[in-house]
Amino acid sequence: DAKTTQPTSMDCAEGRAANLPCNHSTISGNEYVYWYRQIHSQGPQYIIHGLKNNETNEMASLIITEDRKSSTLILPHATLRDTAVYYCIVRVTGNQFYFGTGTSLTVIP
Amino acid sequence: NAGVTQTPKFQVLKTGQSMTLQCAQDMNHEYMSWYRQDPGMGLRLIHYSVGAGITDQGEVPNGYNVSRSTTEDFPLRLLSAAPSQTSVYFCASRRGRTSDTQYFGPGTRLTVL
Repeated sequence: DAKTTQPTSMDCAEGRAANLPCNHSTISGNEYVYWYRQIHSQGPQYIIHGLKNNETNEMASLIITEDRKSSTLILPHATLRDTAVYYCIVRVTGNQFYFGTGTSLTVIP
Repeated sequence: NAGVTQTPKFQVLKTGQSMTLQCAQDMNHEYMSWYRQDPGMGLRLIHYSVGAGITDQGEVPNGYNVSRSTTEDFPLRLLSAAPSQTSVYFCASRRGRTSDTQYFGPGTRLTVL
């Protein structure tokens, strides 16, 4: 069963912030939200994850709503190398990562 | 560290043939997983392991076998390949704590004729 819903595709101008939304309305209290990206069919690359609080690292920021039913990944200054498919994943206990179909982000010069 | 390695990178099989996809990690990770990715789709979990000697099924386990005799290696076996198994296969590992991230291998592109 799909655990997350994301837009199929998005465009973003180079240098602007890219805001990628994700809906996870059935998330449970102990489930983390992970974001990965996949460039040119390479192995997925970890970006960021969070449980309740907003998170920031050198790549991106993750904003999780208070009810935890949705989140937004923010790439603060998108570059052409950020063109990829971005997956929002809800991780359950154990080893079950549920990947959806992701959002194909195209960064436009 | 080499991270997660997979061999081969590409493979073509005929229907009914068998083969083993190799996966190894040198990070001493407890958890390892196999995913498949079909064109235009996300990754789907085939099998996973939470430690040597322990394996379990994921979303799409039919047609695949796994074993985990060592911490480092987690091979995926196709006993009788079918065209429906044409896909890109990714192996992943993580240390095992609750919030650990997964590290993915470069993938094996398999075509079954």
